[in-house]
Amino acid sequence: GIQVEQSPPDLILQEGANSTLRCNFSDSVNNLQWFHQNPWGQLINLFYIPSGTKQNGRLSATTVATERYSLLYISSSQTTDSGVYFCAVARGSQGNLIFGKGTKLSVKP
Amino acid sequence: DAGVTQSPTHLIKTRGQQVTLRCSPKSGHDTVSWYQQALGQGPQFIFQYYEEEERQRGNFPDRFSGHQFPNYSSELNVNALLLGDSALYLCASSSRQVGYGYTFGSGTRLTVV
Repeated sequence: GIQVEQSPPDLILQEGANSTLRCNFSDSVNNLQWFHQNPWGQLINLFYIPSGTKQNGRLSATTVATERYSLLYISSSQTTDSGVYFCAVARGSQGNLIFGKGTKLSVKP
Repeated sequence: DAGVTQSPTHLIKTRGQQVTLRCSPKSGHDTVSWYQQALGQGPQFIFQYYEEEERQRGNFPDRFSGHQFPNYSSELNVNALLLGDSALYLCASSSRQVGYGYTFGSGTRLTVV
């Protein structure tokens, strides 16, 4: 099956700093999503981005499908950005999502 | 526009019992998937329902079963509960017509004692 690797596994930032999270995947995919899981367990969809670049406020994401990686950028981080960030991929647009192990982000005030 | 709703939010069961978890998909979505997330891990796919049939299944035993109703809502049933079934169970919905990926509910935290 498809392997998904996320890096770094843990990240500690001071409020206001910028960061880049990386997701590598081992095969072609038609679905790639970035999620933020808050401390209460809710998985919040940040981006649906099987290819290309998208921006939403302080967050942006880029997926280079031909090179099988995706990047999530967080600028001017806030304490509310803390939590675990997951990358998930699927072969088909309705295929089952395969998750990476996540990046745990802690933003200190 | 209601998102994905799951019930109950928390549940404590005894080993060997049976449990039913419920999910209502986001308005306009017709496909429901279930995931199990153990503590400190990423979610693992259990199965997916579309048109009231199981369409895909992950590597979970037959103790895990499900159902989808005509209004697209879904249930996850787990029989003969084991301590290892303790986890966060997440429901995700999507639309086969529109695409744009999956929307997740807040989950049901199941504790088996």
